[in-house]
This record gives sequence, C-alpha cells and structure tokens, in this order.
Amino acid sequence: DIVVTQSPDSLAVSLGERATINCKSSHSVLQTNNKNSLAWYQQKPGQPPKVLIYWASTRASGVPDRFSGSGSGTDFTLTISSLQAEDVALYYCQQYYSAPRAFGQGTKVEIK
Amino acid sequence: QVQLKESGPGLVKPSETLSLTCTVSGASMRNYYWSWIRQPAGKGLEWIGRIHGSGNTNYKPSLQSRVSMSLDTSKNQFSLNLSSVTAADTAVYYCASFRYDGDSFYPDDHWGQGTLVTVSS
Repeated sequence: DIVVTQSPDSLAVSLGERATINCKSSHSVLQTNNKNSLAWYQQKPGQPPKVLIYWASTRASGVPDRFSGSGSGTDFTLTISSLQAEDVALYYCQQYYSAPRAFGQGTKVEIK
Repeated sequence: QVQLKESGPGLVKPSETLSLTCTVSGASMRNYYWSWIRQPAGKGLEWIGRIHGSGNTNYKPSLQSRVSMSLDTSKNQFSLNLSSVTAADTAVYYCASFRYDGDSFYPDDHWGQGTLVTVSS
C-alpha cells in the first residue's frame, strides 16, 4: 500500500504571507500518461473536504489562483501564495494512483 | 451535479454491525465509483473502500475482514456494513464519489456532509 506523509502538522502564517505544505508518497504516483495522481483537499470545521488541486497541479473549478500545486513522482507541495483569513483550515493530500487510496495526516493552517 | 447524503443509526453497540446508506442524486450510479471515508473526531481521513456501479469492490486491507459494500441502483443508493465494531470505529463517516474517464481515475470530488457514528453500549 502507498503511504502518504505530510509536513508540517501545523503552521501559522501572517495574513498575506506564503504558506507551504509538503506531501511525500512512499511510491511514485506518476502514471504512464505523465499525470501525477495526487490531490490536495481543504477541510473547514463541520464540513466535508473539498478538492483544491488534482493531477498535482490542476486547480479545481472555482479555486482561487493563490492556491498552487507542484511536484512529481513522490514529492509534492501545496502553496498558498498570499494567505487570506478564509484559508484557515485543515489541508490533506491524497494519492489516488492505486487502491487503497490514502490521505496524508493533515496540516492545520492558522493565522499568526 | 452529483449530490450525496448519508443516513443510518448514530449509535451502535460494541461487537454489532454498523450499517450506513448513501443516497445519490444527479448521476447515474453505473458510471461512477462510490467511496466510504471516515474521520475520528480531531483526526485525519481514512479511506475505507469503494464500489463501482458494476458492483466491483475494493477495501482497505486492514478493514477488509469486517467491511462489505453494496449498491442498489434502483434506489440510487449504496451501503456500508462494518462488523464487530469497537470504540475505535467511532467517527464521522462520509460517502463520496469519483470517476474514471477511460484513461485515468479522478480524486473523490463529491462528498456527502457526513454522519457521526458513535460506538458505545
């Protein structure tokens, strides 16, 4: 099974500053069609997770362009370029390359 | 737009079977994959398994001996059964969906609101 590990567990960033979250997969999630099966989710209290990024770097519909994803193979990054108050949330990465799908343990983003 | 809604008992006794149903609207069940994911209070997300509209299933290995999933396309519903539950199975349970476009699978991009199941006597 593929294990997905995120870092850090939490981070506090000033409004308008950059937030960076890392995700590492125990196995490459790069498909033969050159797509990385890695997604990023945002979860706010009392709500289900919402897809922000898929294929490691494709923003889902309606997601602000301050959110970006990068990386390939086993190492990935979610960047929030200018943190807004509404971005306070838990963030998870997920590999959907193979079953069982797996989530990282989550990163809590707060305002400093 | 796919919409999902979980239903089932909020309280289950230890050693009994947890049974949940997810009602689907806005999509043909045969064309999608249907997942169950859970989240203990204050903890992360755990993928339990998935069922395709054809009935094909895939479960997380550590839960496989206790999990079964089924679907009823006539009712637009799919279900989760988790047997021999303990307090460790207390969590918010989400149903979700994802698709396959003939070339690639997609992430779980539609979710229900979740339902809290507590295991307690």
